[in-house]
Amino acid sequence: AQKITQTQPGMFVQEKEAVTLDCTYDTSDQSYGLFWYKQPSSGEMIFLIYQGSYDEQNATEGRYSLNFQKARKSANLVISASQLGDSAMYFCAMREENTGGFKTIFGAGTRLFVKA
Amino acid sequence: DAGVIQSPRHEVTEMGQEVTLRCKPISGHDYLFWYRQTMMRGLELLIYFNNNVPIDDSGMPEDRFSAKMPNASFSTLKIQPSEPRDSAVYFCASSRGQSSNSPLHFGNGTRLTVT
Repeated sequence: AQKITQTQPGMFVQEKEAVTLDCTYDTSDQSYGLFWYKQPSSGEMIFLIYQGSYDEQNATEGRYSLNFQKARKSANLVISASQLGDSAMYFCAMREENTGGFKTIFGAGTRLFVKA
Repeated sequence: DAGVIQSPRHEVTEMGQEVTLRCKPISGHDYLFWYRQTMMRGLELLIYFNNNVPIDDSGMPEDRFSAKMPNASFSTLKIQPSEPRDSAVYFCASSRGQSSNSPLHFGNGTRLTVT
């Protein structure tokens, strides 16, 4: 069963604008973690941000923030002030800490294009 | 600090040949993961280890695939015999398990092409 859903295969954003990448998840665990990774065209996987299921505040890391809506099971990534270097694939991932151990599964990804 | 090191970066082989992919995790990380990435199936978890012990190999596609971790600093993923459908990028990742917010640290991947 698909547990991580990223419904936007591709997104365009103008340089310096903000963009939201959607992620919804499905779990019956009470304890889980949500991650976002960036994969530039060069292929490496870069960790961006983490949100724990018990965290009451939305996570932020520089220009990245995670809009966590637990009741809706969504964990959207917000990138503020987009830069050309933000053009990449973005993956949402989940770790179910009770039933899944340390297993981390990924969504299908969203390709972001930043226009000059 | 050195990151996760994978070798080779690229591998081209003929159908039926044995392929061995190698990974050196970050020192001190007690979890090691093997993922496969394809356009059709995305990032699939194949297997992961904790303290060199395989914990979950439910993602290993079939008996042609095997993975070992003989010590804390080395792991291999072997495909024997290889098939064209095995063509993909194979990533190794490691993580420190002491806290739930530990992210995965990925290697640069091995691009496997089976002709």
